[in-house]
Amino acid sequence: RKEVEQDPGPFNVPEGATVAFNCTYSNSASQSFFWYRQDCRKEPKLLMSVYSSGNEDGRFTAQLNRASQYISLLIRDSKLSDSATYLCVPFIRKGGSYIPTFGRGTSLIVHP
Amino acid sequence: DTGVSQDPRHKITKRGQNVTFRCDPISEHNRLYWYRQTLGQGPEFLTYFQNEAQLEKSRLLSDRFSAERPKGSFSTLEIQRTEQGDSAMYLCASSTDSVSGNTIYFGEGSWLTVV
Repeated sequence: RKEVEQDPGPFNVPEGATVAFNCTYSNSASQSFFWYRQDCRKEPKLLMSVYSSGNEDGRFTAQLNRASQYISLLIRDSKLSDSATYLCVPFIRKGGSYIPTFGRGTSLIVHP
Repeated sequence: DTGVSQDPRHKITKRGQNVTFRCDPISEHNRLYWYRQTLGQGPEFLTYFQNEAQLEKSRLLSDRFSAERPKGSFSTLEIQRTEQGDSAMYLCASSTDSVSGNTIYFGEGSWLTVV
């Protein structure tokens, strides 16, 4: 089983739609969780941190379920500019360190 | 620009040659990571430094790969005897070591093409 699993998509949605992405991670000892956004042939950029109580940043809402080892990202009122790949990133213990470990990403395409 | 800097941005090399990439992290970031990314995949962890100490290295990393961070500031990643399968984007990221400030910030990446 991969350490971080995401549905690669693509998710193809119209502008204004609400879309949700899920991510599961294999290591229950994981700490710190993030969502990153990556545009084609660019570096990943931080979208938001994920807190245990859930958190919201504008149109974006992130949730964490430690018991199920599951992270989610909800995007409301999708914009064309939201088209990108969304990467789930838990810090997973490797040896004596916690390492940011990436899923393969979920591709989102927002169309007019 | 005070972000993570990587050099060169693009490198084309012949199979069997050695290549070296450099990363300058954000000033005062003592954690530094190297990742490799191929099309359609997420960044794959290669190695991790805290200051000058290389604390973790992926078991997937062959002996042809070596990384250093001699003074705890910039880092280099060397690939010896390159193979076509090494073609990828090599990403460097840095962060502080505080629990509340462990967000990692990436450089723009170094694209390697092995022909």
